[in-house]
Amino acid sequence: QVQLVQSGAEVKQPGSSAKVSCKASGGTFSNHGLSWLRQAPGQGLEWMGRIIPILGIGHYSQKFQGRVTITADKSTNTFYMEVTSLRSEDTAVYYCARDRRVDGGIYYFENWGQGTLVTVSS
Amino acid sequence: EIVLTQSPGTLSLSPGARATLSCRASQSIYSRFLAWYQQKPGQAPRLLIYGASSSATDIPERFSGSGSGTDFTLTISRLEPEDFAVYYCQQYGSSPPTFGQGTKVEIK
Repeated sequence: QVQLVQSGAEVKQPGSSAKVSCKASGGTFSNHGLSWLRQAPGQGLEWMGRIIPILGIGHYSQKFQGRVTITADKSTNTFYMEVTSLRSEDTAVYYCARDRRVDGGIYYFENWGQGTLVTVSS
Repeated sequence: EIVLTQSPGTLSLSPGARATLSCRASQSIYSRFLAWYQQKPGQAPRLLIYGASSSATDIPERFSGSGSGTDFTLTISRLEPEDFAVYYCQQYGSSPPTFGQGTKVEIK
C-alpha cells in the first residue's frame, strides 16, 4: 500500500513562495501520476496540477498555471509543489495524491498524503 | 468545466439509518467517471467509490454508488458511528477534475 508523507506546516508572508514536499513509499507510479490539491478552511477540494513521474512533465489547472510548479526527484521518490506570489486566499491545506488515469477520461485520487497547512499572513 | 452540485448540504441521521447522498452534474459525465470520497475532521479524503459504482480497496459493503449521465447517488445502507463525516463527489470524465461542495452526514 503506497504511503505519502508530506512536509510540515508553514507560515508565509504575502508575496513570498512556499514549497511543500511529498515522499512516496511502498508503491509504484507505473500507471499513476502525482497530483496536488488544496482545501481552503471550511471549503471544498480543488485540483491544482499533476506530474507524470516517469516523464517528469507537469500539467496544471488553468487557475494555477504560471504560479505553481510541480517537480519530482526520482532518486528519492519525493515530489514537490511550489506556489509563488502568495496571497491570503492561498491559505489552505495542500494535499498530494497518487492519481489513476483512466482510458477516455482523466484521473481520480487513490491515495492521499496527510496534508500540509500553509498559512499566508503578515 | 463540469460543476457538481451535492445535496443535501447536511444530512442528520441516527446510527443504523440509511443515508442517501446526491451528486448532480452540470453536463453528462462520460462513461460514469465519477468518484466518491469520505473526509473526517483533520484528515485527508479517502476514496470510497470510483466508476460510479466500484468500491475502492477495503471499503465496507454498506457503501454503494449508482447513477449515470448527470445524476449519481452514494448510499450508506446502515450508518455506523465512524461514518459520520463529509462526503465529496468528483468527476474525472473531462479536464479539469472537479469536486462537489460536499455533504455533511451528522448524528441526529
